[in-house]
Amino acid sequence: AQSVAQPEDQVNVAEGNPLTVKCTYSVSGNPYLFWYVQYPNRGLQFLLKYITGDNLVKGSYGFEAEFNKSQTSFHLKKPSALVSDSALYFCAVSVSGGSYIPTFGRGTSLIVHP
Amino acid sequence: DGGITQSPKYLFRKEGQNVTLSCEQNLNHDAMYWYRQDPGQGLRLIYYSQIVNDFQKGDIAEGYSVSREKKESFPLTVTSAQKNPTAFYLCASSGRVVGTGELFFGEGSRLTVL
Repeated sequence: AQSVAQPEDQVNVAEGNPLTVKCTYSVSGNPYLFWYVQYPNRGLQFLLKYITGDNLVKGSYGFEAEFNKSQTSFHLKKPSALVSDSALYFCAVSVSGGSYIPTFGRGTSLIVHP
Repeated sequence: DGGITQSPKYLFRKEGQNVTLSCEQNLNHDAMYWYRQDPGQGLRLIYYSQIVNDFQKGDIAEGYSVSREKKESFPLTVTSAQKNPTAFYLCASSGRVVGTGELFFGEGSRLTVL
């Protein structure tokens, strides 16, 4: 079975500071990893994904994530946070050769303070 | 523009009533999904469909039903058998059924049982 953990319910950061939203996963096989963002009362929007290749993945709005196979992690990062980055962030995983249905984490609320 | 349209955005239901949530996509995607979102619980899969006239139960299918008569449409019926239907419902689609494709989400439908 595949699973995703987002260990922090909420992350607080000051505007202009770097941000990290953590994600760890558990799968049998090679993972496909995704990050999505959700603004209040809206659907989820895709930010970036790791399928294969370079461990550092760049995505929308200046976000990036690093795939670390040994630590089974896929943390989301941004060098300089904006107040408008405040939202709910979801990590998701599916498996190569397994279920194509992604499993989502519980979500992490990012709050960027002015 | 291509995308997924969910309607209605807000819906109120009396106990004992069935309600149907609409989901239409013009992305020419084969796979479609219904998720339920509750605070602090992330996204839970209700039903998914890989192809017209075929669909599969997800993790929390009890009390829900779906149909997939057209590629573009995947309506969800919340039946009176669903004991706690108040939630935010998200429809999604993906162009690939091998796990590498990201999901495209609608804006969601918020159902409240009075």
